[in-house]
Amino acid sequence: SQQGEEDPQALSIQEGENATMNCSYKTSINNLQWYRQNSGRGLVHLILIRSNEREKHSGRLRVTLDTSKKSSSLLITASRAADTASYFCAKNRDDKIIFGKGTRLHILP
Amino acid sequence: DAGVTQSPTHLIKTRGQQVTLRCSPKSGHDTVSWYQQALGQGPQFIFQYYEEEERQRGNFPDRFSGHQFPNYSSELNVNALLLGDSALYLCASSLLTGGVKVNTEAFFGQGTRLTVV
Repeated sequence: SQQGEEDPQALSIQEGENATMNCSYKTSINNLQWYRQNSGRGLVHLILIRSNEREKHSGRLRVTLDTSKKSSSLLITASRAADTASYFCAKNRDDKIIFGKGTRLHILP
Repeated sequence: DAGVTQSPTHLIKTRGQQVTLRCSPKSGHDTVSWYQQALGQGPQFIFQYYEEEERQRGNFPDRFSGHQFPNYSSELNVNALLLGDSALYLCASSLLTGGVKVNTEAFFGQGTRLTVV
């Protein structure tokens, strides 16, 4: 079964707004990674956050991790048209990286 | 520095045939994982190869098999193809590190789009 589930499944926002996606998981993890995928192409690695970290930043991206709630969030600030893509969280546990079903983000002009 | 490369990019096969997909990992990586991604779904873990052995396996039948070579490149073989095997097949490379092996960031290739007719 999928171990990382994203919420919402789909999100449409106006360009310039912030987008927040959430990810929940069921069992303990070593780390959690967020990926972006454009239209059926390969996945692009965005951020890895370790289980002992609570927050990480990379440019316009901010990822938080709450191990007590078994959840993570990805915030994209000042969204752009190029941010339109599917976003996946991937839980890294026991050497396997397991993906959720993803959030489809659409940035409206 | 070449990233993860996969070949071919597209492939059309007939039901019952066999297919081999190839992956070269990112330089410095020693682990290759394979994923199947159906349209509109997240990638599903097939298996992982490390030190030329299958280290982990997802819920896929024995028709799916693989191999890792001494140079860390890998092949995914699928026998007796079914229509349901049509998907994007993704290869990811990473580095298993530490006394308790933990994956570093995994980097993905662009995938092979397999269509079974």
